[in-house]
Amino acid sequence: RKEVEQDPGPFNVPEGATVAFNCTYSNSASQSFFWYRQDCRKEPKLLMSVYSSGNEDGRFTAQLNRASQYISLLIRDSKLSDSATYLCVVRGVKAAGNKLTFGGGTRVLVKP
Amino acid sequence: DVKVTQSSRYLVKRTGEKVFLECVQDMDHENMFWYRQDPGLGLRLIYFSYDVKMKEKGDIPEGYSVSREKKERFSLILESASTNQTSMYLCASRGGSGANVLTFGAGSRLTVL
Repeated sequence: RKEVEQDPGPFNVPEGATVAFNCTYSNSASQSFFWYRQDCRKEPKLLMSVYSSGNEDGRFTAQLNRASQYISLLIRDSKLSDSATYLCVVRGVKAAGNKLTFGGGTRVLVKP
Repeated sequence: DVKVTQSSRYLVKRTGEKVFLECVQDMDHENMFWYRQDPGLGLRLIYFSYDVKMKEKGDIPEGYSVSREKKERFSLILESASTNQTSMYLCASRGGSGANVLTFGAGSRLTVL
């Protein structure tokens, strides 16, 4: 089983709609969770951290479910510019470096 | 803003050649990382370094080595390039133990013929 798993998609989303997708992680001792966004042929960039109580940043809402070991990302009122690959990142507990493990990414395509 | 600069955006090398990929960051970050990204496999950690002259193997270190002689520079070395090392290579840096955010360079796309 992969440490961090995501549905690769693509999720085809009409402009203005809501889309949500999950990411599961295997290590119950994982400490921190993030969503990164990667545009085509670009480097990944941090979208948002995921806090235990859930958090919102504009149209984006992230949630953590420790019992079921998954995080989620919800995008409301989708814009064409939201088209990207969304990478789930989990920070484990390890010696120096506290390794960050990436999921394979979920591709989102927002269409007019 | 932290800037992570990878010296080469595109490289084409032949099998057996020695390849150097350079990465420089300008924010005095302790931690630096090399990933490769392949379709369907996501980002996989090759090596990371948490201090000058310190290095640790990631998930796929075979066929690679690294060098961190100065804090701002982290080099990835392919001693003898092979076709299965054709990939996008991404360097990243991160601050001290309390920091979580990775800042990536623009990537180096390596093709080995």
